[in-house]
Amino acid sequence: AQSVAQPEDQVNVAEGNPLTVKCTYSVSGNPYLFWYVQYPNRGLQFLLKYITGDNLVKGSYGFEAEFNKSQTSFHLKKPSALVSDSALYFCAVRVPYNFNKFYFGSGTKLNVKP
Amino acid sequence: DTAVSQTPKYLVTQMGNDKSIKCEQNLGHDTMYWYKQDSKKFLKIMFSYNNKELIINETVPNRFSPKSPDKAHLNLHINSLELGDSAVYFCASSPTVSDSYEQYFGPGTRLTVT
Repeated sequence: AQSVAQPEDQVNVAEGNPLTVKCTYSVSGNPYLFWYVQYPNRGLQFLLKYITGDNLVKGSYGFEAEFNKSQTSFHLKKPSALVSDSALYFCAVRVPYNFNKFYFGSGTKLNVKP
Repeated sequence: DTAVSQTPKYLVTQMGNDKSIKCEQNLGHDTMYWYKQDSKKFLKIMFSYNNKELIINETVPNRFSPKSPDKAHLNLHINSLELGDSAVYFCASSPTVSDSYEQYFGPGTRLTVT
């Protein structure tokens, strides 16, 4: 069965420190991987995606993510966290030729403290 | 210039009632989705339409019926509402059935069944 895991319900980091939000996946074939962010009472916003090519992808608001095929991971990173980064982050995977279906992780709440 | 819009934003109703949520996208996308986000923020796909054709129909009670009058609209009708239907419902769209495309989410409809 296809699945996406975000092992941490919550990540706490001080402003200015680097942050990492973890994501691992279990799918058949070569997946497409996505990160979304959700601010309170808002819909999800697309941050970045990995389709093919360079394993390090850069996205919105200074975020980046590294695709690691051997570890089946796609961790989200940012070198220096901002208080405004505090939000709920979702990892998602899409399996090619599987009728548009997205599988979302359970979400990780990022708290950035001043 | 809203990309994906949903109405209403909030919906409070009693058990047993029938209600509808409307979704419209002005992005020219071919594919639209309905997701349910429960109180623990877990996001689950319910339905997906491509060019008005149903392509994903997850294990959802028959009380839920999507309708797509055209490519730009995907409505969700719910019959005989139950307490467990309380959740936030998100509409989303993506350009085509291509797997490499991200989804664009609406702001959500918070449904409360009393």
